[in-house]
Amino acid sequence: DAGVIQSPRHEVTEMGQEVTLRCKPISGHNSLFWYRQTMMRGLELLIYFNNNVPIDDSGMPEDRFSAKMPNASFSTLKIQPSEPRDSAVYFCASRFSGRAREQFFGPGTRLTVL
Amino acid sequence: QKEVEQDPGPLSVPEGAIVSLNCTYSNSAFQYFMWYRQYSRKGPELLMYTYSSGNKEDGRFTAQVDKSSKYISLFIRDSQPSDSATYLCAMARRSGGGADGLTFGKGTHLIIQP
Repeated sequence: DAGVIQSPRHEVTEMGQEVTLRCKPISGHNSLFWYRQTMMRGLELLIYFNNNVPIDDSGMPEDRFSAKMPNASFSTLKIQPSEPRDSAVYFCASRFSGRAREQFFGPGTRLTVL
Repeated sequence: QKEVEQDPGPLSVPEGAIVSLNCTYSNSAFQYFMWYRQYSRKGPELLMYTYSSGNKEDGRFTAQVDKSSKYISLFIRDSQPSDSATYLCAMARRSGGGADGLTFGKGTHLIIQP
């Protein structure tokens, strides 16, 4: 099993640019989560999907953030326009909702906005 | 008050010692409790999962949940230098359907001295 796959692993961009982060969940998992990790705030849930449908996006910080899940094997998190305070590590996680609550995390995308 | 409190450390102990890591929480709706281990520049990996109160043991790791005190613990016996990492507690609510995102503590940085 390849685990959760995220791309890119590192992204450096300039303020005002659009950033798109990508995630492929574990095959067979039907719930997908986007988290953001910073030193100040730790790991915070941004949004999660169940069966490709967004369930709770209350953690999305601003309208500049958007997420989509067009099919069971792919999700994107987009930031437009990006700002320096968006610099963080963004993690995608997945789980099979028919079982307990364990989530499996990808390696993360380290985003730096200059 | 944050929903989940966790001492960030660092906690430094000699190899072979018993390590105790703890979290407190304020939301009585939490029913599922997890411990994740995160190595530097990696994604969190699930160590232990517990539903409701009680103890769970897995090799050198023991997780305890005391819902009456809103307090959870992770014990590591015979600690090894390879256990040096950040340990994050995580919790989820019981829901009627779909999946819940996890609420994380900020993590405790553990250092095992050879």
